[in-house]
Amino acid sequence: AQSVTQPDIHITVSEGASLELRCNYSYGATPYLFWYVQSPGQGLQLLLKYFSGDTLVQGIKGFEAEFKRSQSSFNLRKPSVHWSDAAEYFCAVGEPGGSQGNLIFGKGTKLSVKP
Amino acid sequence: DAGVTQSPTHLIKTRGQQVTLRCSPKSGHDTVSWYQQALGQGPQFIFQYYEEEERQRGNFPDRFSGHQFPNYSSELNVNALLLGDSALYLCASSLYSSGNTIYFGEGSWLTVV
Repeated sequence: AQSVTQPDIHITVSEGASLELRCNYSYGATPYLFWYVQSPGQGLQLLLKYFSGDTLVQGIKGFEAEFKRSQSSFNLRKPSVHWSDAAEYFCAVGEPGGSQGNLIFGKGTKLSVKP
Repeated sequence: DAGVTQSPTHLIKTRGQQVTLRCSPKSGHDTVSWYQQALGQGPQFIFQYYEEEERQRGNFPDRFSGHQFPNYSSELNVNALLLGDSALYLCASSLYSSGNTIYFGEGSWLTVV
């Protein structure tokens, strides 16, 4: 079955520290891969996406993610976290070549930032 | 350029009632998808509409139905509400052709009491 696993439910990092959020997926082929961020009471904002090509993807707000086919992973990283990064982060997969309306999401990782 | 807009933002309904949620897609988009996000969970795909037809459907009962209008806006209807239907309902829009990013609205919070 197709699924997305985000192993960490809640992560706390200090402001200025580096961040890595983990994402593993189970899918028949290499899917399209996404990271979204959701602030409390808000909708989802796309941080970055991977369709093909360079496995290191740059996104908005200084985030990047690396696709590793051998590990079925798409981990999100940021070198220096800001207090405003506190939010919930969702990894998602979509059908390659599809319309991308039907995404499968992980359960999310809540990020807290200590001053 | 308006993004995806949803209404209402919050509503409270009683078990057994029916609810209609509305979504206007981002300008230029022709496809609308609906998701349900329960508290503490990731969004779950309900269905997708394109050219006024349901194109894909997730694992949701027939109590969940939808409609897309000629102007691409969409409605989500839920009949015979259950307490478990309490959630944030997200609308997302995109272009139907391959490889396009979908954009989410801020959602409609539904509480069933």
